[in-house]
Amino acid sequence: GAVVSQHPSWVICKSGTSVKIECRSLDFQATTMFWYRQFPKQSLMLMATSNEGSKATYEQGVEKDKFLINHASLTLSTLTVTSAHPEDSSFYICSAPRLAGGLDEQYFGPGTRLTVT
Amino acid sequence: GQQLNQSPQSMFIQEGEDVSMNCTSSSIFNTWLWYKQDPGEGPVLLIALYKAGELTSNGRLTAQFGITRKDSFLNISASIPSDVGIYFCAGGKIQGAQKLVFGQGTRLTINP
Repeated sequence: GAVVSQHPSWVICKSGTSVKIECRSLDFQATTMFWYRQFPKQSLMLMATSNEGSKATYEQGVEKDKFLINHASLTLSTLTVTSAHPEDSSFYICSAPRLAGGLDEQYFGPGTRLTVT
Repeated sequence: GQQLNQSPQSMFIQEGEDVSMNCTSSSIFNTWLWYKQDPGEGPVLLIALYKAGELTSNGRLTAQFGITRKDSFLNISASIPSDVGIYFCAGGKIQGAQKLVFGQGTRLTINP
């Protein structure tokens, strides 16, 4: 089956530093990837849509200057949390729909746990 | 952002019992999906539903797409320990960017 990987799986950083998270589709291409944030015991909340070859689109209330998204290729999207603060600590999950696939062909990465101290 | 109303939020059952959970929305979705998430992992798709009224099974799991297209339920029969986890419903619209809206999740705990 299709596989989406994320790197790193967990990261601890100091307040004020920036952290980059990678999302890769390993055996299929994706012109679009989605970034979600999940706080403990809560649901997945869509943060932004990463678009290959164009700017990301952000959901209401998500600061685009804080969460930088770059869709570098048809298999890679990166999320950079800039000037991280403790309230940014969360589980970040990406998903990638297979090109021309249906909604059931959207595959989720294993997540990245970010802890900001 | 928009969320689906999923209930119950948590369930504590005995092994072998059946489980039922549901999701409702104020808006129509073309697709309903059910996912399971284990601790520290991403969600894994269990069942996808594409037609109003559709009833679909996957092993011990059965899900239905409501006639109004504003609700769905998931049943798990004869629960086993590996069913423990968090179950999420998600609604999607085929047109456009394939965005999914998730329910709040149902945390299932099974007593052996």
